[in-house]
Amino acid sequence: AQSVTQLDSQVPVFEEAPVELRCNYSSSVSVYLFWYVQYPNQGLQLLLKYLSGSTLVESINGFEAEFNKSQTSFHLRKPSVHISDTAEYFCAVRGYGGSQGNLIFGKGTKLSVKP
Amino acid sequence: GAVVSQHPSRVICKSGTSVKIECRSLDFQATTMFWYRQFPKKSLMLMATSNEGSKATYEQGVEKDKFLINHASLTLSTLTVTSAHPEDSSFYICSGQIGEYEQYFGPGTRLTVT
Repeated sequence: AQSVTQLDSQVPVFEEAPVELRCNYSSSVSVYLFWYVQYPNQGLQLLLKYLSGSTLVESINGFEAEFNKSQTSFHLRKPSVHISDTAEYFCAVRGYGGSQGNLIFGKGTKLSVKP
Repeated sequence: GAVVSQHPSRVICKSGTSVKIECRSLDFQATTMFWYRQFPKKSLMLMATSNEGSKATYEQGVEKDKFLINHASLTLSTLTVTSAHPEDSSFYICSGQIGEYEQYFGPGTRLTVT
């Protein structure tokens, strides 16, 4: 079974500041890792994913996340945030293979970007 | 691509009535769809996995007779909340799966039971 821990429930930052949203996971098998973003009263949108290969993955809107196997982490970063990045961010993990099944979500981190 | 819609986006119903929520994959075929429930300030909790043409698989603690799931086609799954009570009020989100691991989520349905 897998579990996900997002250490910060809320992260307030000023516009144009850098931000890091932390995510740690535990699993007895290899995993796929995901970050989803949820804007108010909307469903989740896939932001980026790590499946294999390069441990650094990037999104089209400037976010990046790095898979660190030794630290079992998949922290999300952005060097300069915008007001429009205000949303809730969920880290998720899924084990390999059909029997390793479901997508397990962290509790989410609410990012608030202030002018 | 990979768009999932849900209808309705918001619904208010009286206690004791039933409510149906539709989840459609608009531009792909989803052999597997998932239904989640999201409580305020909490993460998504998987309720059930829906496979086209077969019975849904419910997570532990989810009443299958209360939350009826039908996956009649590769693009449509429905969740019916039967005999709804105020504690069923929540944000319900569905997703459709592509391949082994990618899930695309609908915009959610806010259910309020009065």
